[in-house]
Amino acid sequence: DAGVIQSPRHEVTEMGQEVTLRCKPISGHNSLFWYRQTMMRGLELLIYFNNNVPIDDSGMPEDRFSAKMPNASFSTLKIQPSEPRDSAVYFCASSFSGNQPQHFGDGTRLSIL
Amino acid sequence: KNEVEQSPQNLTAQEGEFITINCSYSVGISALHWLQQHPGGGIVSLFMLSSGKKKHGRLIATINIQEKHSSLHITASHPRDSAVYICAVRSKGSQGNLIFGKGTKLSVKP
Repeated sequence: DAGVIQSPRHEVTEMGQEVTLRCKPISGHNSLFWYRQTMMRGLELLIYFNNNVPIDDSGMPEDRFSAKMPNASFSTLKIQPSEPRDSAVYFCASSFSGNQPQHFGDGTRLSIL
Repeated sequence: KNEVEQSPQNLTAQEGEFITINCSYSVGISALHWLQQHPGGGIVSLFMLSSGKKKHGRLIATINIQEKHSSLHITASHPRDSAVYICAVRSKGSQGNLIFGKGTKLSVKP
């Protein structure tokens, strides 16, 4: 079975550029989560969707971050403009419902120069 | 104070030792998760529990709701158990989002 698929695995770009991270959840899962992991703060929830609808985006750092889920099989996390402090590993996870175990993708390691 | 506290932060053990990692939390929860993050970065869900105890192979997770405490035990530890173990809770009333501890980095030496 395919797990949660994230792309790209690595992204290096210069500050000011737009960055788009992609996630394909496990088929049949109706909850999708975006997390950010840094050395200083550990794992933090950015936003999560239930049935393609954003439920809680209080973890989104600022207006430079936006996330969409146009359908049940695809979500994007966009940063525009990017800044060096956005450098982190971004994980996407999905679950059958909000109260079921979450399955994580391999993450996108983002470096903003 | 963090809502989810783990101890110890770092743990080094010899192969074969019994290992315990602790997690305390300060919020009312509906479930607690134990996650494993390998050196390569991938995250795997080990357990989700809301009461009692669960066992999977050499791993055992327990939770005491009254004391707001959970433990993860590894019996007969092996170098391949070396990873970061992360405790996360789903607070009551939330629809799924998790609050994470900072993780415990475990190194098992042969």
